[in-house]
Amino acid sequence: GQNIDQPTEMTATEGAIVQINCTYQTSGFNGLFWYQQHAGEAPTFLSYNVLDGLEEKGRFSSFLSRSKGYSYLLLKELQMKDSASYLCAAASGFQKLVFGTGTRLLVSP
Amino acid sequence: DAGVTQSPTHLIKTRGQQVTLRCSPKSGHDTVSWYQQALGQGPQFIFQYYEEEERQRGNFPDRFSGHQFPNYSSELNVNALLLGDSALYLCASSLVSWEDGELFFGEGSRLTVL
Repeated sequence: GQNIDQPTEMTATEGAIVQINCTYQTSGFNGLFWYQQHAGEAPTFLSYNVLDGLEEKGRFSSFLSRSKGYSYLLLKELQMKDSASYLCAAASGFQKLVFGTGTRLLVSP
Repeated sequence: DAGVTQSPTHLIKTRGQQVTLRCSPKSGHDTVSWYQQALGQGPQFIFQYYEEEERQRGNFPDRFSGHQFPNYSSELNVNALLLGDSALYLCASSLVSWEDGELFFGEGSRLTVL
């Protein structure tokens, strides 16, 4: 079957670092996406990993281990505007994304 | 350069009615996928269109149908609406060549079924 697991909710303090984990199980795996979604808005692309390792983009980094079916999103120097839901999605087959339920991140002052 | 555009942004229907949602992909993109996102959930894949044909389909009933036009724009049709069809409907566009995993979402159409 296809399954994506990520924590439901996390809290962190402004300026801190937070790591959001995701485990996945899909057939025809073709890459791992992370999206940010503010309430009532569309998902915004953050990262795409297809090979093992760490990809860094400014304050955001994403890691993938294909053998372990595991990924994480690392957010550094947290800002209040980072309060949002973070969606982990595995690409299965031809550009079909299987999403987790999302991790709701609350950043406090 | 316009991104993915969807219309309408909000609409309200009653049970049993039919609805049509529209999507224009990002300039240069040729593949359109539709997702349904219920409140508090992640998006669920409905189907995907390429070269005016349905290429893949998720676990949705036949009440959900679609179309892609020669200019790559797409429509999602839902017949015999149920209360459970209330959701945010997202359109995503990409290139069939899947360069760097480029796949972008539109702002969505929020459907409320009463």
